[in-house]
Amino acid sequence: NAGVTQTPKFQVLKTGQSMTLQCAQDMNHNSMYWYRQDPGMGLRLIYYSASEGTTDKGEVPNGYNVSRLNKREFSLRLESAAPSQTSVYFCASSLGGDRSDEQFFGPGTRLTVL
Amino acid sequence: QKEVEQDPGPLSVPEGAIVSLNCTYSNSAFQYFMWYRQYSRKGPELLMYTYSSGNKEDGRFTAQVDKSSKYISLFIRDSQPSDSATYLCAMIRSSNYQLIWGAGTKLIIKP
Repeated sequence: NAGVTQTPKFQVLKTGQSMTLQCAQDMNHNSMYWYRQDPGMGLRLIYYSASEGTTDKGEVPNGYNVSRLNKREFSLRLESAAPSQTSVYFCASSLGGDRSDEQFFGPGTRLTVL
Repeated sequence: QKEVEQDPGPLSVPEGAIVSLNCTYSNSAFQYFMWYRQYSRKGPELLMYTYSSGNKEDGRFTAQVDKSSKYISLFIRDSQPSDSATYLCAMIRSSNYQLIWGAGTKLIIKP
């Protein structure tokens, strides 16, 4: 039981490049989330998916797109990376659609945009 | 002003000390209160979860909620070097069930 896995662990991009961050969970959870974590800012929700086939914007969705590929997988895409997107990105999942449920986090992806 | 305020630290204490970590919030609509622990270069993990005012104890950890003062605390007794981590508070706004995070307090327990 691996929990929540994320790839890649580290990535360096140049401004304007695109990339997709991958996330998968093996806990049969319904809800999945993408956060970014910046110093002094706490975790900020980018997008979430309450169930397979649905996605919703969070607090900071601009510059990102997501795909809930199936129940297990939730990807985050940066179409044209900007230095302001330098951050640590965390994927999380929870059993139900209620955000009061405990969220389980992956190890994070450290992204630098030059 | 942020809805949830948390001192970033670092807070450095000797092993065995009692640690007090705190968050204040401005919105009385917050309903559920959580503490997550995040080790360096890892994702956060849930430590404590409370709903109502009062205390909740789990081993060496006690979570306290004071809704009248809009203040939550996490106490760690007999602190250990393995408790060194960043502690994030999080709370849910009952109006839209949005989860809001504090910035986290870095805790260092010195052997």
